[in-house]
Amino acid sequence: QLVLSQSPPASASLGASVTLTCTLTTGHTSSTIAWHQQRPQQGPRYLMTVDSDGGHSKGDGIPDRFSGSSSGAERYLTISSLQSEDEADYYCQTWYTGGIRVFGGGTTLTVL
Amino acid sequence: QVQLVESGGGWVKPGGSLRLSCAASGFIFSDYYMNWIRQAPGKGLEWVAYISDSGDFIYYADSVKGRFTISRDDGKHSLYLQMNSLRADDSAMYYCARDVPATAAAAIVDYWGRGTLVTVSS
Repeated sequence: QLVLSQSPPASASLGASVTLTCTLTTGHTSSTIAWHQQRPQQGPRYLMTVDSDGGHSKGDGIPDRFSGSSSGAERYLTISSLQSEDEADYYCQTWYTGGIRVFGGGTTLTVL
Repeated sequence: QVQLVESGGGWVKPGGSLRLSCAASGFIFSDYYMNWIRQAPGKGLEWVAYISDSGDFIYYADSVKGRFTISRDDGKHSLYLQMNSLRADDSAMYYCARDVPATAAAAIVDYWGRGTLVTVSS
């Protein structure tokens, strides 16, 4: 069964950079994933897709401060020049046999 | 622009039924796979079901299989979720969500609605 593991809660200062990690289970390390952002009391928003080669494709209106990359089974979301509105939960998402979609448990980002 | 607007949530007793609707606009609805995804209070996201662009392929999470039915009406640009035999652990915000274009060959969600809240309690 495909499982996505996400890094623990993170915190960083305004203007700094932070990298969040999503790890794919063994046997699914070539999977493409998506990153979604969920601000407090809001619905989720799609940020980008990240493939196994580190290529990423962003959603409409996503700032250049957001970027994605890969290394082995890990998929990364890097946010630079942190702003207060980046404080949110971040979820990774992928799929497997039959098109079953699966989400990671989420990472809470606090902007200090 | 792409808009997904859910409705139909509310309070229902255990064992009861609800039908959720999602009105889509801003894109050619019939060209896209669609999903229902839920989030229990204070918890993470849980995918519930998807339906293909043609309606020929449907899949459910094990937690709702046999109780929930996803459907679509392309003429009305609408997605539905019929929920029967509801349980307390079905209480959640339910989101309608669109997949990326089929040409991308990826089951990735790229647009979300704002959600409709379902509460199952006696």
